[in-house]
Amino acid sequence: AQSVTQLDSQVPVFEEAPVELRCNYSSSVSVYLFWYVQYPNQGLQLLLKYLSGSTLVESINGFEAEFNKSQTSFHLRKPSVHISDTAEYFCAAFQGAQKLVFGQGTRLTINP
Amino acid sequence: DTGVSQDPRHKITKRGQNVTFRCDPISEHNRLYWYRQTLGQGPEFLTYFQNEAQLEKSRLLSDRFSAERPKGSFSTLEIQRTEQGDSAMYLCASSFQTGEGGYTFGSGTRLTVV
Repeated sequence: AQSVTQLDSQVPVFEEAPVELRCNYSSSVSVYLFWYVQYPNQGLQLLLKYLSGSTLVESINGFEAEFNKSQTSFHLRKPSVHISDTAEYFCAAFQGAQKLVFGQGTRLTINP
Repeated sequence: DTGVSQDPRHKITKRGQNVTFRCDPISEHNRLYWYRQTLGQGPEFLTYFQNEAQLEKSRLLSDRFSAERPKGSFSTLEIQRTEQGDSAMYLCASSFQTGEGGYTFGSGTRLTVV
């Protein structure tokens, strides 16, 4: 089974609409969870992370993610998206405490 | 420190040729990782180093692939006898030993095998 699963390969939304990008993880990974963003022709940038403590974590540009142990999920949300949020988003988790494993990615497309 | 640097950004090579990529990590980071990313997929782990020691290699890393980090600083990834299936983005990342702060990725090297 996939260690980290992103349920949607593409998510189109209108500008200023809310968005949720879904991520589920399996028991084969740790609960150190991350979201990365990749803009066209660039490397991955860390968006936010959950290591312990509060289950709701936030990024500096308005994204937030909630760790839900019972549902093994770490969904990413933003209440109002902007054109500049157009990118590919990757959920990741540590496997064996040694390396990050990534989901397949979700392409977020913002329509004006 | 300007982050993780990868060179070259793009490489086009003929099938059967050898190619070598370089990665310069953040100097304070003692772990260095190589990933491969194909179109529409997430990054797939290839190998990682702690200082100069290569601690893990993925099954994806066939015997045509070799990675080194001779002095615990920069790293090279060499692919011998390239095949069309090797066409991908090769990403390098670095981190502190625990990795819990997340990885810092370079911009990648896009390899096209023709």
